[in-house]
Amino acid sequence: AQTVTQSQPEMSVQEAETVTLSCTYDTSESDYYLFWYKQPPSRQMILVIRQEAYKQQNATENRFSVNFQKAAKSFSLKISDSQLGDAAMYFCAYRSPIYNQGGKLIFGQGTELSVKP
Amino acid sequence: EAQVTQNPRYLITVTGKKLTVTCSQNMNHEYMSWYRQDPGLGLRQIYYSMNVEVTDKGDVPEGYKVSRKEKRNFPLILESPSPNQTSLYFCASSARLAESYEQYFGPGTRLTVT
Repeated sequence: AQTVTQSQPEMSVQEAETVTLSCTYDTSESDYYLFWYKQPPSRQMILVIRQEAYKQQNATENRFSVNFQKAAKSFSLKISDSQLGDAAMYFCAYRSPIYNQGGKLIFGQGTELSVKP
Repeated sequence: EAQVTQNPRYLITVTGKKLTVTCSQNMNHEYMSWYRQDPGLGLRQIYYSMNVEVTDKGDVPEGYKVSRKEKRNFPLILESPSPNQTSLYFCASSARLAESYEQYFGPGTRLTVT
């Protein structure tokens, strides 16, 4: 079975600095997708960034980028120029191919990020 | 506006009193799913549906039922709620043939069972 592990329950960063959130996963599948979701106090789940496993190039979305190491099964999120609005719970998620339980999302435990002004 | 809606947003109930949480999407998505979120556990899939009249169990289906009679709706039914079902529930949908695409999440339903 696939698993996702976020080993940092809490992280803190100074405004305008850079922070990296860690995520590791375990799978025997070769075709899958990885995501980072942000959950602010409103509890809404917001997609931050996605990565297709077959792509070697790391995904980037403005201040957010990932370091995808397929062999190591690692998928970390880097937030540059941190802003107060980045404070939230961040979830790493793995999505199986559609033939595996409809391509369900498997989530890590979450990392609570606080941003200090 | 493309969205997934859930009702109610907050619900406090007592053990054994049947309840339904509704979920509706306006994006014509084939795939819909229910998750529950608990501290330290992330989100876990309860049930999912690949299309109308096609549903299947996720990782934590015990104590829940679902139905998919219309493409846009995917209600979650708790026939005899228990305190261990106190949780934050999310409905999500996505286009079936675009499996790399994001799942669109509803706003969540905070359920407390006393």
